[in-house]
Amino acid sequence: AQTVTQSQPEMSVQEAETVTLSCTYDTSESNYYLFWYKQPPSRQMILVIRQEAYKQQNATENRFSVNFQKAAKSFSLKISDSQLGDTAMYFCAFMKVAGNTGKLIFGQGTTLQVKP
Amino acid sequence: DGGITQSPKYLFRKEGQNVTLSCEQNLNHDAMYWYRQDPGQGLRLIYYSQIVNDFQKGDIAEGYSVSREKKESFPLTVTSAQKNPTAFYLCASSTAPRTNFREQFFGPGTRLTVL
Repeated sequence: AQTVTQSQPEMSVQEAETVTLSCTYDTSESNYYLFWYKQPPSRQMILVIRQEAYKQQNATENRFSVNFQKAAKSFSLKISDSQLGDTAMYFCAFMKVAGNTGKLIFGQGTTLQVKP
Repeated sequence: DGGITQSPKYLFRKEGQNVTLSCEQNLNHDAMYWYRQDPGQGLRLIYYSQIVNDFQKGDIAEGYSVSREKKESFPLTVTSAQKNPTAFYLCASSTAPRTNFREQFFGPGTRLTVL
């Protein structure tokens, strides 16, 4: 069975600074997706970034980038130039391709507070 | 606007009562999912459906039931057999995982409280 672990329950960062959120996962699958979702106080889940396991290049989306280390099973999220609107809970999630179920396995989440 | 709607936003239930949470999507997605979110925990999968008239149990299906009679709708019933139903419930949908899959889109959620 797959598991996803986020070891940082809470983090804080000053506005305009850079912060990195950690995520590790355990799987025997070779083909899978990894995601970071954001849940602001409104509780609406929003996709931040996704990574396909067969792609070696790290995904980037504007101020958000990942460090995908497949051998180490690590998938960290870097937020550059943090903004007050980045305050939210962030979830790392895993989805295997085999079986075609689309099931997402989530980590416990990291609450990020951006301070002015 | 395309999206996922969930109703009601807040729901109160007395112990021993069944209650049904609504989830509707107009994204033309084949797959739909129900997750439960508890404080300090990530989302856990309750049920999922990849096609009309078919659904499978997720990791925590006990005490819940679903139906998928229409592509657009995937209602979740929380039965009296669910021991601790107070939680935040999220519905999601996506294209089939092997058909140009991009992401799961989430609804705004329903907060269920058992009195």
